[in-house]
Amino acid sequence: GNSVTQMEGPVTLSEEAFLTINCTYTATGYPSLFWYVQYPGEGLQLLLKATKADDKGSNKGFEATYRKETTSFHLEKGSVQVSDSAVYFCALSEGYAGGTSYGKLTFGQGTILTVHP
Amino acid sequence: NAGVTQTPKFQVLKTGQSMTLQCAQDMNHEYMSWYRQDPGMGLRLIHYSVGAGITDQGEVPNGYNVSRSTTEDFPLRLLSAAPSQTSVYFCASSSLAGGQNEQFFGPGTRLTVL
Repeated sequence: GNSVTQMEGPVTLSEEAFLTINCTYTATGYPSLFWYVQYPGEGLQLLLKATKADDKGSNKGFEATYRKETTSFHLEKGSVQVSDSAVYFCALSEGYAGGTSYGKLTFGQGTILTVHP
Repeated sequence: NAGVTQTPKFQVLKTGQSMTLQCAQDMNHEYMSWYRQDPGMGLRLIHYSVGAGITDQGEVPNGYNVSRSTTEDFPLRLLSAAPSQTSVYFCASSSLAGGQNEQFFGPGTRLTVL
């Protein structure tokens, strides 16, 4: 079956530090890959996505590249802010032939990020 | 648009009690789903639906029932609550048109079973 593995947390950084959160996956077929973010007390929000190999998703200074050869989708940001403190989830949705999907998501365990001033 | 709404926000039950978690969306999305979030385990899919009258099981369906009588609503029922069902529950919806679409999540229901 499908699975997603994220780096162990929590991660604590100072403001303006470089961030990497590792994510690797196992899937059959042609999955799409996502990063979701959960701010304290809220539901999940889509941060970025990539739907095919070598695609780069980006949003709010965050980036992740779909690497099929290493089955990875690592999240990076060059300079984090206090407001980036949240839980980050890597997820995949397995595509079906024809490029459509029922959208079932398989999540990693989540990585807690805390950014200090 | 309100997006995805969930009620209640918090609930405490005793073992054996029943209750229904409500979920509604106003985006005319075909796909709706329920996840539970437990520490260190990410989110796990309980049940999902691809349209009114159509439901199916996810990864952890035992102890939960769902129905989908309208496009807007997708309630989750616990018939006899157990302490193992203590968790945070999230409802999500998305459009099925056009391929891999963003899922929109509700704010969650924090359930404690004593």
